[in-house]
Amino acid sequence: EVVLTQSPDFQSVTPKEKVTITCRASQSIGGKLHWYQQKPDQSPKLLIKYASQSFSGVPSRFRGSGSGTDFTLTINSLEAEDAATYFCHQTSSLPYTFGQGTKLEIK
Amino acid sequence: QVYLVESGGGVVQPGRSLRLSCAATGFSFSNYGMHWVRQAPGKGLEWVAGISGEGRSQSYIGAVKGRFSISRDNINNALFLQMDSLRPEDSAVYFCAKEYGAFDACDIWGQGALVTVSS
Repeated sequence: EVVLTQSPDFQSVTPKEKVTITCRASQSIGGKLHWYQQKPDQSPKLLIKYASQSFSGVPSRFRGSGSGTDFTLTINSLEAEDAATYFCHQTSSLPYTFGQGTKLEIK
Repeated sequence: QVYLVESGGGVVQPGRSLRLSCAATGFSFSNYGMHWVRQAPGKGLEWVAGISGEGRSQSYIGAVKGRFSISRDNINNALFLQMDSLRPEDSAVYFCAKEYGAFDACDIWGQGALVTVSS
């Protein structure tokens, strides 16, 4: 099973700040890594697929990069509405797995 | 409009069964793989099971193999999760989710169905 480890687990940030969340896979997963945003009491929303492809309708401040085992989600110029938990997800091999999540708090 | 609606959640005793349903609207259901993902209260996301578009291929996490069964009805655009021999650790919100493409991300998610396993 591919284990995905995100860092940090929690980050408190101010609006307009740049945020970087990393996701490390326990083995190479190529580019089959996706990012989701989940707000309290809501279902997850797809932000980035295949490491760097922005999903339709997602603001351009959300960017993904990486391949193999190391991946990054960058949020440029953070906005208050970005307060949420972010998860990475791999579909390279079964069972599909998720990272533990990174909670962003807006100061 | 594309959306998924889960139903069938509830409170059930350990060892009993429950069947979740997910109604799909707004897309060619049989063309897409579908998944169940769960989230225990205050915890992260856990992929549970997936099924191919035509329904011929199913996959599960080890913790539910032999107890849960994923299936679909492509005539009525519905996805199911039959959960038998339920355990307290199966308590979670269960989301159904649509694949964007094969081995791809999940682009559409339902609102979730809460399952509580407790005596």
